[in-house]
Amino acid sequence: SYVLTQSPSVSVAPGKTASITCGGNNIGSKSVHWYQQKPGQAPVLVIHYDSVRPSGIPERFSGSNSGNTATLTISRVEAGDEADYYCQVWDSSSDRLYVFGTGTKVTVL
Amino acid sequence: EVQLVESGGGLVQPGGSLRLSCAASGFTFGSFNMNWVRQAPGTGLEWISYISVSSSSIYYADSVKGRFTISRDNAEHSLYLQMNNLRAEDTAVYYCARAECSGTSCVSDSWGQGTLVTVSS
Repeated sequence: SYVLTQSPSVSVAPGKTASITCGGNNIGSKSVHWYQQKPGQAPVLVIHYDSVRPSGIPERFSGSNSGNTATLTISRVEAGDEADYYCQVWDSSSDRLYVFGTGTKVTVL
Repeated sequence: EVQLVESGGGLVQPGGSLRLSCAASGFTFGSFNMNWVRQAPGTGLEWISYISVSSSSIYYADSVKGRFTISRDNAEHSLYLQMNNLRAEDTAVYYCARAECSGTSCVSDSWGQGTLVTVSS
């Protein structure tokens, strides 16, 4: 079955840029979606279809996807961006339709 | 405003059963596929089940196949998850999530607040 791999943690200073990667075999051929989850809260969609921001998501959040790696980039990081971030793809080739990445904890220093 | 409100969680003994509900409002429920996703304590997100708008397509993760049953009532704007033969490893927060699907992908664009299921003797 399809596997998505994320680095466990990323640390970034306020005002800097955080890059969160999601690795998968030929992931560039799939649409990648990104969710933010703060402690005790439900996930929130921050990027869908590789690079599209849903309504209400700041422009500081952007996404890209090519080859074997998709990337979520958070520019001008704020303390409120501290959260877990998960990538997700749809794998219609198997019964395991929704595949989530392992998650990355973003810590704002 | 899209709202998804789960209910039905609680403490249950191993081998027991529980039925979760998800009440939807703020959108045309019968036009969207739906999912259940769970998150065990301190771990990541795990998709467990999907149901299409007309209930004609239903899928389960291997971890729950044969024990859990997803269903929906479009007239009542509700999604359900019947969980039987529960195990300790089913302990998790269970989220219902709306699935927005294009021709090539589905994404969960709205989530409920979750309901906690604890399986323990």
